[in-house]
Amino acid sequence: NAGVIQTPRHKVTGKGQEATLWCEPISGHSAVFWYRQTIVQGLEFLTYFRNQAPIDDSGMPKERFSAQMPNQSHSTLKIQSTQPQDSAVYLCASSLDGTSNSDYTFGSGTRLLVI
Amino acid sequence: GDSVTQTEGLVTLTKGLPVMLNCTYQTTYSPFLFWYVQHLNEAPKLLLKSSTDNKRTEHQGFYATLHKSSSSFHLQKSSVQLSDSALYFCALSGTNTGKLTFGDGTVLTVKP
Repeated sequence: NAGVIQTPRHKVTGKGQEATLWCEPISGHSAVFWYRQTIVQGLEFLTYFRNQAPIDDSGMPKERFSAQMPNQSHSTLKIQSTQPQDSAVYLCASSLDGTSNSDYTFGSGTRLLVI
Repeated sequence: GDSVTQTEGLVTLTKGLPVMLNCTYQTTYSPFLFWYVQHLNEAPKLLLKSSTDNKRTEHQGFYATLHKSSSSFHLQKSSVQLSDSALYFCALSGTNTGKLTFGDGTVLTVKP
């Protein structure tokens, strides 16, 4: 069990460029969550999927952020026209069934720096 | 909506002393509470969790008791070690969606 795998570990983009972040959940886990971590805001919920279907994207900045889960083995978070304020660690987590008592396993995160 | 409050942003202690990190929450649903620990440059990892009122749960020397009457789930340890230095998050799953709401986190620094 390799855990939740996130790639790349680090990404530097120029302002206005696009960034795509990848997440491979633990095999057999049906729920995938995306969070953003900054020193100022802490852990902010972005979006989540259960059985590949989008359940809640209430934390997503609507204009430039999008997320997909085309199959059960990976999810992507895409940021268009990146801005310096998008700089953060983006964490992906998976849980067995997405229920209230189902704990998360986090990936190591993608550290995004927009310059 | 759901919310979690951690009152201490930074706690510094000497090795061997006890610690309590505060966590209170608000939800209109039946709560599940979690503590996650994040060491430097690592992913957050589950430390312990509970949904049972007034029952102490323990793991790796840490313990917490969910008190629904006071909406609290404080994390405690009787004797901190250098390796306990990390960022600690309290989290709430208040709805039945599995989505966690996190507190702002408490940085625990243990000195020799």
